[in-house]
Amino acid sequence: DGGITQSPKYLFRKEGQNVTLSCEQNLNHDAMYWYRQDPGQGLRLIYYSQIVNDFQKGDIAEGYSVSREKKESFPLTVTSAQKNPTAFYLCARSIPGILSEKLFFGSGTQLSVL
Amino acid sequence: DAKTTQPNSMESNEEEPVHLPCNHSTISGTDYIHWYRQLPSQGPEYVIHGLTSNVNNRMASLAIAEDRKSSTLILHRATLRDAAVYYCILGRTGNQFYFGTGTSLTVIP
Repeated sequence: DGGITQSPKYLFRKEGQNVTLSCEQNLNHDAMYWYRQDPGQGLRLIYYSQIVNDFQKGDIAEGYSVSREKKESFPLTVTSAQKNPTAFYLCARSIPGILSEKLFFGSGTQLSVL
Repeated sequence: DAKTTQPNSMESNEEEPVHLPCNHSTISGTDYIHWYRQLPSQGPEYVIHGLTSNVNNRMASLAIAEDRKSSTLILHRATLRDAAVYYCILGRTGNQFYFGTGTSLTVIP
């Protein structure tokens, strides 16, 4: 799994509900990322974090929130403000400041609206 | 944005070489060129990356143009397991990696 674990694999959201996607890494990497992927499309950056207690918005942060209270965990909350949440969500990790470092991805969470 | 441009799709016969092109005309001097590939319902996996010089590894080769505004991923002998979407991305300051829509590679037996 490349040292990064996402759960659950499938998640369903009711209208008006907030849901949280889990992302955990066990290799002590500082940088973590959340991407969204729609069918037939590429990945779009939602949020990223380079250190604990700090994170930055990506291109499509509206309707999402994150926290980074521990180095190994970077959960993503899809809020009720996100009107079109159905997508495949991918979490990744890397070493910050080293652009030659690889990105390692989790296996993803498919979120669907009931 | 650190944009890259790739063809939407390509086909290759099995056991023949495949050249996947990527244009990145806005690349800056410190941007690394990365390639990843993604199978359906899975996260992308790393293929190769480079800065200025051509790079080889057990999966593929990366040929980078002298002006760095384009690059080519070379799969030396395509197999059915190489059928995937291939993404060319730029690694930029602040650890932002921007993915485009990629190239969907079909390998014909």
